[in-house]
Amino acid sequence: SAVISQKPSRDICQRGTSLTIQCQVDSQVTMMFWYRQQPGQSLTLIATANQGSEATYESGFVIDKFPISRPNLTFSTLTVSNMSPEDSSIYLCSVDGALNTEAFFGQGTRLTVV
Amino acid sequence: LAKTTQPISMDSYEGQEVNITCSHNNIATNDYITWYQQFPSQGPRFIIQGYKTKVTNEVASLFIPADRKSSTLSLPRVSLSDTAVYYCLVNNAGNMLTFGGGTRLMVKP
Repeated sequence: SAVISQKPSRDICQRGTSLTIQCQVDSQVTMMFWYRQQPGQSLTLIATANQGSEATYESGFVIDKFPISRPNLTFSTLTVSNMSPEDSSIYLCSVDGALNTEAFFGQGTRLTVV
Repeated sequence: LAKTTQPISMDSYEGQEVNITCSHNNIATNDYITWYQQFPSQGPRFIIQGYKTKVTNEVASLFIPADRKSSTLSLPRVSLSDTAVYYCLVNNAGNMLTFGGGTRLMVKP
């Protein structure tokens, strides 16, 4: 199993500013995933972050808006840039389990943009 | 990626057995079927996974027919704390997860 810590757990931000979300895992993992969950909706994958390479973004998400860092095998950050109220969501970090078929999720970061 | 279809919501009462069925007509040969549970303000949590026939753990059972085009998550004797959203996913090792709409289960006293 993997234990994932996300910071901050929630934040209220002014539009036009940026917020960086941190994700720390208690073990080394190859791939880390960032999801967005809009209010009352399901999870949507933003990007996949591998250590030592550029993140891979899903359709509808771009690096300029959601830059990701992956400096080592236990840590990643997601930045939500130039925020607008439409960015108000829960952002979740995830990693695969040892068998690559069970995923573990952080508690999420609840972002409100005003 | 195989798409899944599940009921949007279900209601039940404490002590009852709840069965949530998921359709995945385009499941690939090497796909597994995995169910996650999500409580408000928490990330999804793995419940159970299977490939075919029946799988049972301390939390739930998963029934998968021979054609694997559907699966049923069975929760025995639900309690109020089982109120959550349940997601059915199909994926294979190393692939990212694609979440469908999920089923919002409400357990009433």
